[in-house]
This record gives sequence, structure tokens and C-alpha cells, in this order.
Amino acid sequence: DVKVTQSSRYLVKRTGEKVFLECVQDMDHENMFWYRQDPGLGLRLIYFSYDVKMKEKGDIPEGYSVSREKKERFSLILESASTNQTSMYLCASSLIAAGSYEQYFGPGTRLTVT
Amino acid sequence: GENVEQHPSTLSVQEGDSAVIKCTYSDSASNYFPWYKQELGKRPQLIIDIRSNVGEKKDQRIAVTLNKTAKHFSLHITETQPEDSAVYFCAALTGTYKYIFGTGTRLKVLA
Repeated sequence: DVKVTQSSRYLVKRTGEKVFLECVQDMDHENMFWYRQDPGLGLRLIYFSYDVKMKEKGDIPEGYSVSREKKERFSLILESASTNQTSMYLCASSLIAAGSYEQYFGPGTRLTVT
Repeated sequence: GENVEQHPSTLSVQEGDSAVIKCTYSDSASNYFPWYKQELGKRPQLIIDIRSNVGEKKDQRIAVTLNKTAKHFSLHITETQPEDSAVYFCAALTGTYKYIFGTGTRLKVLA
């Protein structure tokens, strides 16, 4: 059973702080993703990674960076948190394999920036 | 850019009735279309998916149909039950890695 875990379920940070969100998957998946989920906007892709040290910008990368030093771990970094980054953050992973496209999601981190 | 439109944003049905949620995608090269269910406070979970070479797929009470020409796909839930109440997201895989999600439909099944 695929397991995707995130370091925190709830996080409260102050404006200007540097914030790290960690995601770990245990199924040797090549692809990892960070989304933010806001009411009425669905899931919007921030960044994704298809291999160690590889990353691609998604649709809303501004204000975020990512790090993937190991295959199982994908980190989202908010360099200087702002109130408009208050949101639910979801990590996901998937295989690169013909016929296998399913994404597996983590439980989410609800971040509040005050 | 690529996008996926999803309708309706909210849907209320009586228990036992059917529910239909529709999505339209823009990238004609999209080849994989999953549907996710997200219960309150939980992670999204895949409930059914369809590939571009198939027109319809069923799994018990749920089915998905795909019209490639019109670039739309739909989720059908029959004999709805209270436990079907959740937010449903459609998505389209564009390219090798990138998934574009719809904005979600909140389904309420009234007992």
C-alpha cells in the first residue's frame, strides 16, 4: 500500500518566516508534486519533480521553491511566508510506467500565515 | 494554457438518485482522465479513471464516459448513498507528468 506522508497536518507561521514542508513517499515513485488547494480553485500545481535534483515549475511557482535530494523526499520551501500563502498544501507521487498514472496524495498540511 | 472546466460546483441529490458531473479539457493531447473523491478532512483518492483509447468505464455504481471529439468527460454515480457525499475532482494528464485539475464539485446526498 502506497504511503505518502507530510511532516505536519497543521502549521502556523508568521509573515516573513521561512517555511519548510516535507513530503516522503515509500513506493520508489519517480514523480513527486506539490499542490495548493483553495476553495473554488481546486488543486493548483506549484512544482513537480520527475527525478532526484530535477524540478519543473507548475502553474503557480511564485514565492515557492523546492528541493529533491533523495528520491523519496520532496520539500516545498516558502522563502518568506506571506498571508496569501495561507492554504492547504498537498503532496503527491506517481510512477513513470506505461499504463500506470495514478497519483497518490499525502494527508495535506494546512498552513496559516499570520 | 491548458485548463479543465468542471460543472456543477455544487450538486444536491436525493438518496437513490443519480449524479452526473461534467468536465471539459483544452489540451487535445491529454490521454488520461482520473476522478478523485475527497471526503471532509481527508486526502483525495482515485475512484475511477479512463484512458483516451476507451469511451466508457464502469466500476459498480460509478462510471466515466469520454468524448474525445468534444473534449469532455463525465462521472456518473447511480443509486447514490449518503457516503457518496464528498468533493469530486476531475483531472487531465497533459504531457508526461502534468495533471490539470478541475475546480471540484461538492456533492451532497440527502437522506
